[in-house]
Amino acid sequence: SQQGEEDPQALSIQEGENATMNCSYKTSINNLQWYRQNSGRGLVHLILIRSNEREKHSGRLRVTLDTSKKSSSLLITASRAADTASYFCATDDKRGGSGGSNYKLTFGKGTLLTVNP
Amino acid sequence: DAGVTQSPTHLIKTRGQQVTLRCSPKSGHDTVSWYQQALGQGPQFIFQYYEEEERQRGNFPDRFSGHQFPNYSSELNVNALLLGDSALYLCASSFGWGVQETQYFGPGTRLLVL
Repeated sequence: SQQGEEDPQALSIQEGENATMNCSYKTSINNLQWYRQNSGRGLVHLILIRSNEREKHSGRLRVTLDTSKKSSSLLITASRAADTASYFCATDDKRGGSGGSNYKLTFGKGTLLTVNP
Repeated sequence: DAGVTQSPTHLIKTRGQQVTLRCSPKSGHDTVSWYQQALGQGPQFIFQYYEEEERQRGNFPDRFSGHQFPNYSSELNVNALLLGDSALYLCASSFGWGVQETQYFGPGTRLLVL
């Protein structure tokens, strides 16, 4: 089942503009990650934000996390045509068990971002 | 430093057949996870391997099985293929058990079942 839900489903902007995508989730998390996917190919990891963090930056990317609202946002500043891709948020699902625990990723359906030259 | 590699890149099978997909993790990684991504959807977790054992499993039937080898590479096997198994199959690797590490994804294997 999908945990994260991205909003909007599709976003079209002009080069140089900022793009904001939102993600909502349902259960408590340990961390939230954002990934990019070009044309149905492999996923590229963008940024990880832990549950005790509120904001994180990486280059032109800014991610916020509001655990009280169970939501996150990804801001891409000064967008480029090369940023055209699908963007997914993914939450961990930490499980206990003998020998320790690890986590799996639960993805939303993604936001399709189109940046027009 | 090689990233996650998967083979083959594309595969066409018919209903009822069996398929094996392969994954080599990123250098230094020992945990491999498999995901299925249907068209227009986000990836869905299938299962995860660490120390040659299946550690976690998602909501997939027993037709989906896997294996991890001593060199940490992994295989995903799907028996009795259904049309609905057509999807992009993604392998992800990470390091360690019990720690929260970023998962790095391979390019995927696109499976078409006719």
